[in-house]
Amino acid sequence: QTVVTQEPSLTVSPGGTVTLTCASSTGAVTTDYYPNWFQQKPGQAPRALIYSTYNKHSWTPARFSASLLGGTAALTLSGVRPEDEAEYYCLLYYRGAQGVFGGGTKLTVL
Amino acid sequence: QVQLQESGPGLVRPSQTLSLTCTVSGGSISSGSYYWTWIRQPAGKGLEWIGRIHISESTSYNPSLKSRVTISVDTSKNQFSLKLSSVTAADTAVYYCATLGSSDYWGQGTLVTVSS
Repeated sequence: QTVVTQEPSLTVSPGGTVTLTCASSTGAVTTDYYPNWFQQKPGQAPRALIYSTYNKHSWTPARFSASLLGGTAALTLSGVRPEDEAEYYCLLYYRGAQGVFGGGTKLTVL
Repeated sequence: QVQLQESGPGLVRPSQTLSLTCTVSGGSISSGSYYWTWIRQPAGKGLEWIGRIHISESTSYNPSLKSRVTISVDTSKNQFSLKLSSVTAADTAVYYCATLGSSDYWGQGTLVTVSS
């Protein structure tokens, strides 16, 4: 069974920078996995931030960026704001079709 | 602007079949631009990708659910549906319909409880 692993929790100070990662049990994450990143706040449906590795949606703040880093997909937040406190999920596609979510990273801004 | 709305029973008995429908408005389900997707989230837990369908009727399912899941499209009603058979309490979750990728639209989610 394929497992996608994220940091369970991270803490960052306001104005700081933090990188969340997304690893696959099958090996290095590449663009072929079409990594997506989602933000979910309590009581709300998730909302996409990034699709197909690097691409931002029109509503994605400029302080969010995505990359491939050391065999993982990565989401970097620069100049973190209190409203960025949320759960973040990555989604990878296997064989171009089957999606698997990571377990999520709870980001605390403190 | 595409909008999605889930509908279906909020309570399903164990061993029965969970059936949900997602109604699409503001766009055509026949559009080849979208993969119509189902996702679920148990209370306090993470997201689980259930499966998706394209208008070409190509489907892809989560291997752990594949034996119990069917996703289909009804173009006449501009809807797509989820059926999950032989449910147990572990299937209790908020179920979302969505399109993902460059076009990201989500329903508000519907809570389905499996209980006798």
